[in-house]
Parts: sequence; C-alpha cells; structure tokens
Amino acid sequence: EPEVTQTPSHQVTQMGQEVILRCVPISNHLYFYWYRQILGQKVEFLVSFYNNEISEKSEIFDDQFSVERPDGSNFTLKIRSTKLEDSAMYFCASSDGPGASYNEQFFGPGTRLTVL
Amino acid sequence: RKEVEQDPGPFNVPEGATVAFNCTYSNSASQSFFWYRQDCRKEPKLLMSVYSSGNEDGRFTAQLNRASQYISLLIRDSKLSDSATYLCVVNMGRTTGTASKLTFGTGTRLQVTL
Repeated sequence: EPEVTQTPSHQVTQMGQEVILRCVPISNHLYFYWYRQILGQKVEFLVSFYNNEISEKSEIFDDQFSVERPDGSNFTLKIRSTKLEDSAMYFCASSDGPGASYNEQFFGPGTRLTVL
Repeated sequence: RKEVEQDPGPFNVPEGATVAFNCTYSNSASQSFFWYRQDCRKEPKLLMSVYSSGNEDGRFTAQLNRASQYISLLIRDSKLSDSATYLCVVNMGRTTGTASKLTFGTGTRLQVTL
C-alpha cells in the first residue's frame, strides 16, 4: 500500500538554527500539506500546496517557514530560525484531490522536532 | 466558539460496550467531515468519512446533522484494539483547484478494558 514517508523521524536542534523536514508524498498525489501537533494538543494546519504554489497558510506559518517541492518526489518544510515553541511533531500529508470533495488526506509518520 | 469541539474524555469502557462520541463545528459552510483515529505518538489515520445520509462500516456508525452542525461516531462491541484517540475533522475548503485544510478537534480518548 502506498504511503507518505518523512525524514528524519526525530530532529534535535539548537534555538536559532535552520531545519529542513523532508517528506515524500504518495506518488500520484497532487495536493500536499504540513500540519503540526504540540505534545498534548490538537493537530494544527500549517500550509497547503498545489500546482507549485501555496494554496493556504495559517497564522502559525510566518516568515520563518517556507515550503518547497524541489523535484518530482520531495516536499520540504524549512524553518529558518527555530524557536523553543517550534518543538512539536510535524506531519506531512498528501491527497489526490482537494479535501472538500472527501478526498482522503494520507498522513506520514511525522518528524518530532525538539528545539533546545 | 472553537472551530471543532469534542469532549476530551477519557472514556473508559469494558470490552463489548457501545460508546458514542459527539462533535460540533462552528462553520456552517464546512464541506466534508471525517473521523480520524490517532494512536499514541502516531499519525492520524482516516477511520471513516461522514456523509449527510449517515454511514456504517462494520462496528462503526457515523452521523452528520448539518442543521445542528453536529457529528457523531458510534462504536459497537468495543475491542481492546479500539483504544485510541478519536479525532473529529472538518474540511471547510472549496471543491476544486486549491488544496484545502483539515481542521481538527482536540480528540476524544477511548480506553477499552477487559
């Protein structure tokens, strides 16, 4: 069964450092997403991406965040200067259609980011 | 009012019990509705979509009331393996073109015991 993969599974970084979280969406999917979940809290939307551009972003997704699809398979989330409050599990998701049409979003296993 | 609201639980039930979870959402323009399941420290996984006509998948039944902006999930004959957090999820986006976000509730924790 096709699945979304994410690397690394756990990233530890110092405050102020840049991190890049990597995702390989399901191969025939065209819609890509990043969500995060702070420990003990709900899953929160960060950004959605379609046709090589951002479709929507949340208030969390400020100038420190960026996304890129550098080639035909990878989808990355970059945090330029990490803060303590960026510590969370980051989930990548993909779908083969816009979610409002009941297209399932498939989630990757997540990258746990710890900022010290 | 929260966009998607759920009772956090926990619900502690014995094996074989029937348990019901409820959820309300604030945006009447919401387009699609889901229940996801999340095991501890794992990713959310789709349990079932929720349609206006109601739908059933084995021991699981989901209902949607658009007028009341209310979604429910019923689990019959609970198994130990049903222990997890159940996330009520709503999509408020458009049907074509752009990728639209999912909005999650905080989740309801279920613990099924012997």
